[in-house]
Amino acid sequence: ILNVEQSPQSLHVQEGDSTNFTCSFPSSNFYALHWYRWETAKSPEALFVMTLNGDEKKKGRISATLNTKEGYSYLYIKGSQPEDSATYLCGLTMNSGYSTLTFGKGTMLLVSP
Amino acid sequence: GAGVSQSPSNKVTEKGKDVELRCDPISGHTALYWYRQSLGQGLEFLIYFQGNSAPDKSGLPSDRFSAERTGGSVSTLTIQRTQQEDSAVYLCASSTDRGRGYTFGSGTRLTVV
Repeated sequence: ILNVEQSPQSLHVQEGDSTNFTCSFPSSNFYALHWYRWETAKSPEALFVMTLNGDEKKKGRISATLNTKEGYSYLYIKGSQPEDSATYLCGLTMNSGYSTLTFGKGTMLLVSP
Repeated sequence: GAGVSQSPSNKVTEKGKDVELRCDPISGHTALYWYRQSLGQGLEFLIYFQGNSAPDKSGLPSDRFSAERTGGSVSTLTIQRTQQEDSAVYLCASSTDRGRGYTFGSGTRLTVV
């Protein structure tokens, strides 16, 4: 069983705070790591797909880093806004990439005005 | 269509009844996935279709669950003799190739009473 761990389970910050979450995974047979944002009553939305060790991606105020050798990825949100409130999921594919995504349980972020 | 469409959006059924959930993926996406999220749990993989290959059914929790994908497009997930533990949000996703993120539908919330 592939174990993808996310921490913290939930987080409550104030508007303007910067925050970060962690996704940990087994480093062997790594192919790709995905980050998704899942807002209540909406579909999960892809944020990043990362494949290379040391990769860093950015989308607006959100960025992510990847360390495949030690098996972790960080997601950062700079200057959190209430609209960032969502569950952030990471998912892992192994080997060829035609395997399916195995997801962690997510980090639930609440940003208060 | 522009996105992944799922129907119905909500379904309440009595224990023991059969239900069918439908997914219409993005046109041209060869890969189609079914996941579910039960209360307090992460996204759980159910089944994966890739082109004309035999589906990966390794995530189906019991033989009461089955799925088919007709003509490489629309997929139907069928749950026979529903049980209360089948209550969950069932999500469908499609993708075009292994390097890209999934596009999720808005899900079907199934409640078994």
